[in-house]
Amino acid sequence: QVQLVESGGGVVQPGRSLRLSCAASGFTFSNYGMHWVRQAPGKGLEWVAVISYDGIHKYYADSVKGRFTISRDNSKNTLYLQMNSLRADDTAVYYCAKSLLMWEQTYYFDYWGQGTLVTVSS
Amino acid sequence: QSALTQPASVSGSPGQSITISCTGTSSDVGSYNLVSWYQQHPGKAPKLMIYEGSKRPSGVSNRFSGSKSGNTASLTISGLQAEDEADYYCCSYAGISTYVFGTGTKVTVL
Repeated sequence: QVQLVESGGGVVQPGRSLRLSCAASGFTFSNYGMHWVRQAPGKGLEWVAVISYDGIHKYYADSVKGRFTISRDNSKNTLYLQMNSLRADDTAVYYCAKSLLMWEQTYYFDYWGQGTLVTVSS
Repeated sequence: QSALTQPASVSGSPGQSITISCTGTSSDVGSYNLVSWYQQHPGKAPKLMIYEGSKRPSGVSNRFSGSKSGNTASLTISGLQAEDEADYYCCSYAGISTYVFGTGTKVTVL
């Protein structure tokens, strides 16, 4: 069965960095694009970033562009999100999500992790 | 990348049908038939309910259906059940491999 397990969340001061990880199992990780989606406390979902199945193509929401970097290690079945210059409005539960379709078709998110909470506060 | 517009809340009695709208622009919903819908119960991760506008993943009840007209997508839940009470979000491809979610709708079963 597909499992996505995020880790790396915590409390961090504004301006500092944090790296999230998402360990994947139960499917051929290297065949699927992967996403990060976040949800601020009591708020709606916000798409953050996507990475292609091969790690070559990466795209970001305007709100994180230039500060966050998505990456993956297909040999370790792990997705990452490097978050730099963190701000208070980055406070959220961060979910990793698997694309429903293989290869370049990253349009839908069929499996989600349980999420990891990132709190940016001094 | 402005969020798609959804009603804040929709309610209905058990057995009734409800429809949730999701209004975007000609740059997202209107340009692509790549809309999906997600159900989220409190404290849980979202669950894919509809993709490609009207397709249901395996295991999702056929009481859930989706459609699109112009810049607006819709999710209809027929035969409303207590377990359908949750938050629902639409999501659309917005070009250049970016995505935008809706503002979310709280469904209440009366």
